[in-house]
Amino acid sequence: EVQLVESGGGLVQPGGSLRLSCAASGFTFSSYSMHWVRQAPGKGLEYVSAISNNGGSTYYAKSVKGRFTISRDNSKNTLYLQMGSLRAEDMAVYYCARGRQTVTTRYFDLWGRGTLVTVSS
Amino acid sequence: QSVLTQPPSASETPGQRVTISCSGSSSNIGSNTVNWYQQLPGTAPKLLIYTNNQRPSGVPDRFSGSKSGTSASLAISGLQSEDEADYYCGAWDDSLNGWVFGGGTKLTVL
Repeated sequence: EVQLVESGGGLVQPGGSLRLSCAASGFTFSSYSMHWVRQAPGKGLEYVSAISNNGGSTYYAKSVKGRFTISRDNSKNTLYLQMGSLRAEDMAVYYCARGRQTVTTRYFDLWGRGTLVTVSS
Repeated sequence: QSVLTQPPSASETPGQRVTISCSGSSSNIGSNTVNWYQQLPGTAPKLLIYTNNQRPSGVPDRFSGSKSGTSASLAISGLQSEDEADYYCGAWDDSLNGWVFGGGTKLTVL
């Protein structure tokens, strides 16, 4: 079955760190860019970070740049998001998503179920 | 404040047609394709429409998308109760060099 399964969420204190994982299965993981998108409670979607299929290129939203690090291990079919200096505003459900891109279009065609990150003292 | 603008809510009765708008600018919708995602209550987003008007396999043809200039629309015809969900538009933004989303539209089937 083609799927993405996130893990690693939980309760962390402000200023703390957490590492999220996203396990991919059912497709050739190394052929796709991968992305993290988050959704604060009761709010809309916010793009967080991206990594190219071979890990050579990364992107971060301004809100997390310098605090979060995206990486991937193609041998383990797993995407990661290392989060540091966490703030209350980072509290959200974090989704990983598979990216599709051609010369003329790009979109996310597969999403995981998400993992909840709670930042509170 | 989302980069793309959507109405916060929409409603219509079963069997009718509803349209959800998404307004952007020249750096996003005006120069890139638009995608729509459906988020059923308590679940993850799911790709509904890609590249302005393409439906992934399994998405009923009751769902259609269009784009004109710096705006896009999602239309749902023959509304069903199971269409109650949040709908988000998304596009690449050349100025921000990143993805942007609308704030989402909560669709209620009366």
